[in-house]
Amino acid sequence: AQRVTQPEKLLSVFKGAPVELKCNYSYSGSPELFWYVQYSRQRLQLLLRHISRESIKGFTADLNKGETSFHLKKPFAQEEDSAMYYCALYSGAGSYQLTFGKGTKLSVIP
Amino acid sequence: GAGVSQTPSNKVTEKGKYVELRCDPISGHTALYWYRQSLGQGPEFLIYFQGTGAADDSGLPNDRFFAVRPEGSVSTLKIQRTERGDSAVYLCASSLRTDPSTDTQYFGPGTRLTVL
Repeated sequence: AQRVTQPEKLLSVFKGAPVELKCNYSYSGSPELFWYVQYSRQRLQLLLRHISRESIKGFTADLNKGETSFHLKKPFAQEEDSAMYYCALYSGAGSYQLTFGKGTKLSVIP
Repeated sequence: GAGVSQTPSNKVTEKGKYVELRCDPISGHTALYWYRQSLGQGPEFLIYFQGTGAADDSGLPNDRFFAVRPEGSVSTLKIQRTERGDSAVYLCASSLRTDPSTDTQYFGPGTRLTVL
């Protein structure tokens, strides 16, 4: 069975400091990994997907198959980055469901 | 354009009652998903529709839960004999096609269900 683990429920950083939100997964195949974000009073939305290898709002994430990790990083945190972040996995094995982690709440202190 | 909409935004019911939650996907999206998010948890998959048919209902917790999408657009999630443990935010998402690796799931605002 697939599983996504986000070890931190809450992460507080100062504005301008680097940010790293951790995500580890367990799946025996080759999964697709995503980061979703939910800003206050807004709906859940896709931030980035590993297959695109893109940087969105200054965030990047690299899939490390050896460590089964997909950590989200940003070199300089901004106040508007404060939100709930969810890591998600798609197994691609005939099912179209996403498996989500429990989420990490990022708080950027001005 | 309009995003995914869900009604009602809040639903309070008593244990044992029947409830229906509605989802209006983005026009033209063929895939529709239901997730449930309990307090302190991430969204948990319930069921996925491709067109009118339920292509994957493996996430439905038991036979009290049922969902339909009769015309391939609007979907209704139905919960019979509600229990306090059903209290959660029920999220609906839709996507243009069916492959999450290339297609984006757009989420609605959710329906907060409270079972007293």
